[in-house]
Amino acid sequence: SQTIHQWPATLVQPVGSPLSLECTVEGTSNPNLYWYRQAAGRGLQLLFYSVGIGQISSEVPQNLSASRPQDRQFILSSKKLLLSDSGFYLCAWSSGTGVTGANVLTFGAGSRLTVL
Amino acid sequence: KQEVTQIPAALSVPEGENLVLNCSFTDSAIYNLQWFRQDPGKGLTSLLLIQSSQREQTSGRLNASLDKSSGRSTLYIAASQPGDSATYLCAVSWETTDSWGKLQFGAGTQVVVTP
Repeated sequence: SQTIHQWPATLVQPVGSPLSLECTVEGTSNPNLYWYRQAAGRGLQLLFYSVGIGQISSEVPQNLSASRPQDRQFILSSKKLLLSDSGFYLCAWSSGTGVTGANVLTFGAGSRLTVL
Repeated sequence: KQEVTQIPAALSVPEGENLVLNCSFTDSAIYNLQWFRQDPGKGLTSLLLIQSSQREQTSGRLNASLDKSSGRSTLYIAASQPGDSATYLCAVSWETTDSWGKLQFGAGTQVVVTP
């Protein structure tokens, strides 16, 4: 069966510090990978998605970047965090083949980031 | 503009009552609609997935209906229990060529079931 892991679960960082959140998927190959953010009082927003190694699409301009160095690894980064980067970050995956599979997402447990 | 709306934003019911959660969407061209549950500080748990060709899906005490023509989905939870307390989110996958996997979420309905 497929599993998705995110870490760290909780992170408190000062403004201006770097960020790295990691997500890995097991039990599948060539998945589509996604980063969503849930800010306080706001709904879930898609930040980045990837259909393959090194292929990253950004949905909204921001202070963050994403990378996919391996097939089942997705990393969310920032060089200098802003207060507005605080939120709950969720990684998700879907099947990389077919319209039906590509639109069924499974989410990780999330990483809560607080920027002070 | 494609939007997903959930009403009400919050709901409190006594244990045993049936829950009715509403989700509306502005464009009927969808691949599917998913209902998720989110406990405080936790990730999303998928409850039900309805493909665009389906009218409803059932899992245990949960039943979700889909009416594409009117842009509505309803999640019914029968005989609610305190353990059903959580935020329920609906998410739509729009039927446009570049939107595979790009779910658009409603803001959620926060449910409290009192013993």
